[in-house]
Parts: sequence; C-alpha cells; structure tokens
Amino acid sequence: QVKLLQSGAALVKPGASVKMSCKASGYTFTDYWVSWVKQSHGKSLEWIGEIYPNSGATNFNEKFKGKATLTVDKSTSTAYMELSRLTSEDSAIYYCTRGLLQDYFDYWGQGVMVTVSS
Amino acid sequence: DIQMTQSPASLSASLGETVTIECLASEDIYSNLAWYQQKPGKSPQLLIYDASSLQDGVPSRFSGSESGTQYSLEINSLQSEDAATYFCQQHHDYPFTFGSGTKLEIK
Repeated sequence: QVKLLQSGAALVKPGASVKMSCKASGYTFTDYWVSWVKQSHGKSLEWIGEIYPNSGATNFNEKFKGKATLTVDKSTSTAYMELSRLTSEDSAIYYCTRGLLQDYFDYWGQGVMVTVSS
Repeated sequence: DIQMTQSPASLSASLGETVTIECLASEDIYSNLAWYQQKPGKSPQLLIYDASSLQDGVPSRFSGSESGTQYSLEINSLQSEDAATYFCQQHHDYPFTFGSGTKLEIK
C-alpha cells in the first residue's frame, strides 16, 4: 500500500534552518510528483511547491521561493524539504503529498510539526 | 492566484441529515477541484477529485457537483464519523490553492 512516512517533529531557533524528509513506499517513486503543504495552527492549507523525482524538476508558490528547497534521493525513494531563515511564521505542520502533474493529492504523509522558538 | 472562497466556515447538523459545503473559484478552473476531509490530529484525506469523482474507499454518501465556478460537496445521511474539517482545492493553475475550510459538527 502507498505510504508517505515523514520525519519527526522539530524545535528550531529563529534564523536557523530545518530539513525534513518524506519516505515513499508502495509505488514507483519516480512516477509521481511530491508536493509539500503548510498548515499553520488552526488555519487552512498552503501549497509550497512540488518536485518530480524522475527529473528533479520543481514548481514553487512564489511566496515560498527562497524559503523552501526541495530535493529527492531516488535511491531511497525519499523527498526532502529544507526551510531556511526560520521565523515564528514558519511554525506549522508540513505535509508531503503524492500527485500527478497539476493534479489532486491522493496520499498524504502524517505531517511534521515545526516549532520555531528561542 | 486563484482564490477559493469556501462557505460556511462551520456548521452543525444532526445524524442522518444532509449538508452542503460550497467553494467559489475566482475564475474558471475547469473541474480541477478536489475535496479533502481532515479529522483532528490527522492528515487531510482525499474524498472527491475532478469535482465529482469519488475516491476509492470513500462512502457513496459523499458527492461533488459543479455549476460554473461554484463547486459543492454534499454529504447525505450524516454519520458521527463525518465530524471533521473539509477543504476544497483547485489544481488547475499554479499556485494550487485551498479553501479556508468548513468545520462540521454532528449534533
């Protein structure tokens, strides 16, 4: 069965960076795009960007350009997102998802809670 | 960016009732609309895709429809397990955008 297993919660200091992972299983990793979605506490969902593991091609929400970096390791079927120059506004739950190009998200990871605090 | 205006923000309904949640797109999204259900402490789960197609394993009491740029999610015969927050999402154009969510309470 399809699974997206994300790394654990992170507590990071303002100004630092955090890198989280999303390990895929149960399907051919290189056939689907991996998107990342932010959910701030009690709020709606924001699409950050997506990466195509087969080629490394990416598409980003302009709002997150310069904030998020997306990479993949095809050998381990793992996608990564690094967030830089963290502020309190980056405190949120981050989900990885699976989808086709410009398509809906049929599977979601369990989410990573990132807390930015000194 | 395409704006998705979702309503209502919250609603309360009784077991067995029917409820409708709506999303209005700021421009034509050509049925590229998905609905998700999110229960507290859990990830969103896909219910409906392409505006009206039911995802595998989702009960048939969930249905989606569209009229122009207005998209609707209907839940028939409400069950206690339907208590959740529901989101719409357009994937017609970048950046993908979501509605603000509707919190459904079962009386």
